[in-house]
Amino acid sequence: DTEVTQTPKHLVMGMTNKKSLKCEQHMGHRAMYWYKQKAKKPPELMFVYSYEKLSINESVPSRFSPECPNSSLLNLHLHALQPEDSALYLCASSQEFAPDTQYFGPGTRLTVL
Amino acid sequence: GESVGLHLPTLSVQEGDNSIINCAYSNSASDYFIWYKQESGKGPQFIIDIRSNMDKRQGQRVTVLLNKTVKHLSLQIAATQPGDSAVYFCAVTDASGNTPLVFGKGTRLSVIA
Repeated sequence: DTEVTQTPKHLVMGMTNKKSLKCEQHMGHRAMYWYKQKAKKPPELMFVYSYEKLSINESVPSRFSPECPNSSLLNLHLHALQPEDSALYLCASSQEFAPDTQYFGPGTRLTVL
Repeated sequence: GESVGLHLPTLSVQEGDNSIINCAYSNSASDYFIWYKQESGKGPQFIIDIRSNMDKRQGQRVTVLLNKTVKHLSLQIAATQPGDSAVYFCAVTDASGNTPLVFGKGTRLSVIA
C-alpha cells in the first residue's frame, strides 16, 4: 500500500480565517513533506519533516505553520493567508529523507478569498 | 544547486505510437532520478526511478534511459494510450541524504485517439 491521504479535498477560506490541512500515511515512512503547486507549474517544496523533526523550511512565510504530531500524521496550519496562496497543497512521504521515492497524496485545493 | 529542465512543454502523440519525454539536469553529483505522472486534479504518481549506477530501467510499457555524460534523462512510453494523457515530471536528487528532490517544469502529453 503506497497511499497518502489528505483532507480536506477542497478548502475555501477568507483572509482572516484559521484552518488546517491534514495528511496521513501508514507505510512506516519517516520523512514527510509539504509542497505547494500552482497551475501549470511543478510542485514547490515548503517543508520537510524527518523522524518527526522539521529538517527543511524553504523560507516559507510564517502564515503557514507545519506540525508533525506523530510519525504518521502531518498538519499544515493556515492563518491570515493571501489570495496568492491559493494553490494545490500536496503532502508526500518517503521511507527516509532523500534520496528516496516520495509518494504523493491527492492534494488539497485551497482557495483564499 | 541543481536545475532541471525539460525540452518540450507539450507533446502530442497518436494512440498506439511510442512517446519520448526528455529531461536535462545540471548537477553531475545527481544520483537518483524519478519520473512522475500527474493527471488533472490529482497528486503526482510515481512511475519509475533509476539510480546513477544504471543507464536503463524498464517497467510495464515504460523505459527510463539515463545518459550521465550529457546529463540527460528520458522516459519512453510504448504503445501510448489515452489514459497516458497527463503532465510528466522528472525529479532529481543527489546521494548526500540531505538534498530534496528538484522537479523539472513538466511536459504535458496529449494522446490523440
